[in-house]
Amino acid sequence: EAGVTQSPTHLIKTRGQQATLRCSPISGHTSVYWYQQALGLGLQFLLWYDEGEERNRGNFPPRFSGRQFPNYSSELNVNALELEDSALYLCASSLKYTDTQYFGPGTRLTVL
Amino acid sequence: KNQVEQSPQSLIILEGKNCTLQCNYTVSPFSNLRWYKQDTGRGPVSLTIMTFSENTKSNGRYTATLDADTKQSSLHITASQLSDSASYICVVISSGGYNKLIFGAGTRLAVHP
Repeated sequence: EAGVTQSPTHLIKTRGQQATLRCSPISGHTSVYWYQQALGLGLQFLLWYDEGEERNRGNFPPRFSGRQFPNYSSELNVNALELEDSALYLCASSLKYTDTQYFGPGTRLTVL
Repeated sequence: KNQVEQSPQSLIILEGKNCTLQCNYTVSPFSNLRWYKQDTGRGPVSLTIMTFSENTKSNGRYTATLDADTKQSSLHITASQLSDSASYICVVISSGGYNKLIFGAGTRLAVHP
C-alpha cells in the first residue's frame, strides 16, 4: 500500500513569490493535515482538511492557505513568501480525525 | 492554555542502555496522547496511541505510560540501539468537537556505540 506522498521534494523560491505544495493521502484516508517544521523547532500545526472542508487551522497568517480536492489530495499555498517560511512542510493523512496520522516525507521549502 | 512540554530537550546514551523521555501536558479536554519517532529529514512515525483509560502500552522495545490524573506521560526505551537515534515527539489531542493537536517540541535522542 502506498504511503502519503508529497511533491515536490525540494522547492526554492525568493521573497515575495508564491509556493504550492501538494500531498496525496493514503488511499481511503479522508483527513489531511499540514505541518511546518522549521530547522531545530518542533512541528507546528498548519491546517486540517476533512471531506473537502477546512476543519481546523493553526496560528498562521492568512497567506498560508490550502484546499482539499474531491479525491482527498490536498494543496498548500503560501503567498508573499518570507525568509522565515523556510522549513520542512509535512503532510499527514488519517482514516478519520481520531485515527493515527501517517506522515509523508515532506517538502523542504527554501526562501532566498 | 493548552501546552505540551517534553523533557529532556536532548539526551545522549550508550547503545544497550535504557532511557525514559517525559511529556507533561495541560490540554483539556483530553482525548488521547501519541508518541511519534522522527528520523532526521523524514516524517514522524507513530509509536503508540494512548487513551484516557490506558496506563501502559508497549510497542516492541518502546513502552509508553500515561497518568491522566497528573497529566504526565513517559516513553521508555529498553536496550537502546543506534537506530533509536531520532526525535521523539509527544502529541496530545484535545476532544470536544473537532480535535485539536498540540505538539511537544520533542526530545532529541542520540545513541552512541
